[in-house]
Amino acid sequence: NAGVTQTPKFRVLKTGQSMTLLCAQDMNHEYMYWYRQDPGMGLRLIHYSVGEGTTAKGEVPDGYNVSRLKKQNFLLGLESAAPSQTSVYFCASSSRRNQRYEQYFGPGTRLTVT
Amino acid sequence: QKEVEQDPGPLSVPEGAIVSLNCTYSNSAFQYFMWYRQYSRKGPELLMYTYSSGNKEDGRFTAQVDKSSKYISLFIRDSQPSDSATYLCAMIPDSTLGRLYFGRGTQLTVWP
Repeated sequence: NAGVTQTPKFRVLKTGQSMTLLCAQDMNHEYMYWYRQDPGMGLRLIHYSVGEGTTAKGEVPDGYNVSRLKKQNFLLGLESAAPSQTSVYFCASSSRRNQRYEQYFGPGTRLTVT
Repeated sequence: QKEVEQDPGPLSVPEGAIVSLNCTYSNSAFQYFMWYRQYSRKGPELLMYTYSSGNKEDGRFTAQVDKSSKYISLFIRDSQPSDSATYLCAMIPDSTLGRLYFGRGTQLTVWP
């Protein structure tokens, strides 16, 4: 089991460029999440999904879009990158099985926007 | 005011010390409480999981939940340099969606 994987691990973008971050999980989890982590700010939820084909906004959704076409994948898109989007992005997944809600995190993607 | 408050530290202790990490929260609906550990440049990993009030022990780690005070704690006994990490508290109401509410994390350094 690979758990939660994220692609790419590092990326540098210029302002205005676009990119897609890929998250994949092999645990058959229903829920998936995208967070950003900035110094002193903790983890902030960007978007999440409770199932294939569904998405919802979190705390800081502006400037990001997501899609969940397959249960195991959750994509995060930046259409026009801004320096304020420089951050470490984490994907996570969880399941309601056995009424446990712990989230499993990927290793993160370090994004720098210049 | 954030729903979950956590002192970011940093906290620096000598090896062998007892460490106490704490979070307070405002939403009385929270039922499930967790502590995550995050090493530098890694993703968070689940350390402790508790449901409702009470204590849970796992080796050198003890998690406490006091719902009447809306206060949770993580104690680390005989702390080791390998415990140096950021510790994040997280909690969830007894509802669907599985959305976790995180504290900002406390950075801990255990020096030999």
